[in-house]
Amino acid sequence: AQSVTQPDIHITVSEGASLELRCNYSYGATPYLFWYVQSPGQGLQLLLKYFSGDTLVQGIKGFEAEFKRSQSSFNLRKPSVHWSDAAEYFCAVAANNDMRFGAGTRLTVKP
Amino acid sequence: GAVVSQHPSWVICKSGTSVKIECRSLDFQATTMFWYRQFPKQSLMLMATSNEGSKATYEQGVEKDKFLINHASLTLSTLTVTSAHPEDSSFYICSASGLSNTGELFFGEGSRLTVL
Repeated sequence: AQSVTQPDIHITVSEGASLELRCNYSYGATPYLFWYVQSPGQGLQLLLKYFSGDTLVQGIKGFEAEFKRSQSSFNLRKPSVHWSDAAEYFCAVAANNDMRFGAGTRLTVKP
Repeated sequence: GAVVSQHPSWVICKSGTSVKIECRSLDFQATTMFWYRQFPKQSLMLMATSNEGSKATYEQGVEKDKFLINHASLTLSTLTVTSAHPEDSSFYICSASGLSNTGELFFGEGSRLTVL
């Protein structure tokens, strides 16, 4: 079965700084890849997804992610972080109607 | 986009009572629905997978007699926490998949259960 690793449990960045959240997956073929964001007490909101094609995927709220097959990675990036981006971010991998989540990375934004 | 709605968003109950949480796909038919549990500051833990009209498949370690899941129609799945205890307090999230084979899931807003 597929699995997902998010190496960073907690990241703190200053407002306006760039952001990169790491995600590595394990699966025999190319899975479908997702990034979700969760604010406290809320459900999950889809930021972006990769199915095939262009390996650089644009999402909502200015986020993008790049699929790198050679590194089995799907890192999430944002050029300039806003205070409202503080939340929990989950990378997910889906295959055969089965979705698995990473442990999540909590983002704190400093003023 | 596809919308999944959960109800209630918040529920507080006494120990020993049962609580039902509904998960509805509002604008699509959900062939499969999933129920997750999330403890504070942790990731989502898959509890069970349900297909319309058949019994749910529970993940290892999840008590099927305690967490009753019913998926009676293509737009509704329910999770009933029976004889709830304080340790059942958690955030429960449902998701649904449609007819595409991409594996993409659409998530409900979550339901916060507090058992006193």
